[in-house]
Amino acid sequence: GQNIDQPTEMTATEGAIVQINCTYQTSGFNGLFWYQQHAGEAPTFLSYNVLDGLEEKGRFSSFLSRSKGYSYLLLKELQMKDSASYLCAVRERGSYIPTFGRGTSLIVHP
Amino acid sequence: GAVVSQHPSRVICKSGTSVKIECRSLDFQATTMFWYRQFPKKSLMLMATSNEGSKATYEQGVEKDKFLINHASLTLSTLTVTSAHPEDSSFYICSALTDNTEAFFGQGTRLTVV
Repeated sequence: GQNIDQPTEMTATEGAIVQINCTYQTSGFNGLFWYQQHAGEAPTFLSYNVLDGLEEKGRFSSFLSRSKGYSYLLLKELQMKDSASYLCAVRERGSYIPTFGRGTSLIVHP
Repeated sequence: GAVVSQHPSRVICKSGTSVKIECRSLDFQATTMFWYRQFPKKSLMLMATSNEGSKATYEQGVEKDKFLINHASLTLSTLTVTSAHPEDSSFYICSALTDNTEAFFGQGTRLTVV
């Protein structure tokens, strides 16, 4: 199975940049997902990385280093609506089921 | 993106009764759907994998007789919480795979057992 670790909570200022880290251990890697989840709502898909490097999508970017078992989600030009929980999920080789980390609660303040 | 509809969004039931939650893929066929449970400020915990036309695969510790899953068609999976108790109160979320790459989630169901 996987061991996924991400910070429990982070705070940042509106307009700033924040980086949410995720480290994982797995016997065979087959992709890493980032999801955003607002309180009381279902997660929404943000990004999917299977190869090393940076994937940019608007204000959000996701980075992966398979050799280090490390990923981060970068949020630029933070807005108040970005306050949410950000879930890192890892899928193992041979499975199509991602395992979720505990999530990082991001609080954006004015 | 693909649309997954989950119903109801909220339900309150009495202890001892059963509750059915539906998960529908609206614009694609999903041979595989997943059911998760999420307690407050906790991560999503996979309960079971639902496969169209066959029995669901339950995760360790999840009672298959208590959480009945039926995946009778390529667009519908249902989760029935039988003889619900207050400790079953939780946020239940389904998701469906479109192509083994991306999972889309339903809106979630907030179950409160009183």
